[in-house]
Amino acid sequence: DQQVKQNSPSLSVQEGRISILNCDYTNSMFDYFLWYKKYPAEGPTFLISISSIKDKNEDGRFTVFLNKSAKHLSLHIVPSQPGDSAVYFCAASAQGAQKLVFGQGTRLTINP
Amino acid sequence: DTAVSQTPKYLVTQMGNDKSIKCEQNLGHDTMYWYKQDSKKFLKIMFSYNNKELIINETVPNRFSPKSPDKAHLNLHINSLELGDSAVYFCASSQGAPAYEQYFGPGTRLTVT
Repeated sequence: DQQVKQNSPSLSVQEGRISILNCDYTNSMFDYFLWYKKYPAEGPTFLISISSIKDKNEDGRFTVFLNKSAKHLSLHIVPSQPGDSAVYFCAASAQGAQKLVFGQGTRLTINP
Repeated sequence: DTAVSQTPKYLVTQMGNDKSIKCEQNLGHDTMYWYKQDSKKFLKIMFSYNNKELIINETVPNRFSPKSPDKAHLNLHINSLELGDSAVYFCASSQGAPAYEQYFGPGTRLTVT
């Protein structure tokens, strides 16, 4: 029972264009959402997050959008850079649960 | 300085053996975690310790036993290894709970033959 799903295992984007990574969740108790980025042979690193009381959070080139009614969030990267090539994990947490539930990741490749 | 370190990075062993993976964090965090990344690439939490006390124990076979000698260390011992234990194991740490921003180690790739 995977409560957080990233249905695109991979995505290829031209350098300078927008990258959009998607994530769906099923648990309506989730109230906090995060994106982590992972390079090969390294652990995931925190990128950006959003609380369920918001529908958008922006940090530089990275913006996360949350659509609670659709139980969907997305990460936008504009403009995409070669260093953005990595695996991106979506994660969610329910209040009081004290744990993160991760999706299976989307491999983003930025082509020069 | 590595914030969260794990040893070994690679571990190849035979079925039935017992092995340990060590984790240390120098961030002064009070909570540490073990995650397993399975063949389908999902990162699933196994255990969580807060100030050396177990707070999360997901449905994990009791062949897996975490040990936290102090706040900076959380080791994972696995008895009677099985083929299905082959995976990448990540240690992580965070400050406070609920802890959203977790700092991960580089992972230990365990291969059971």
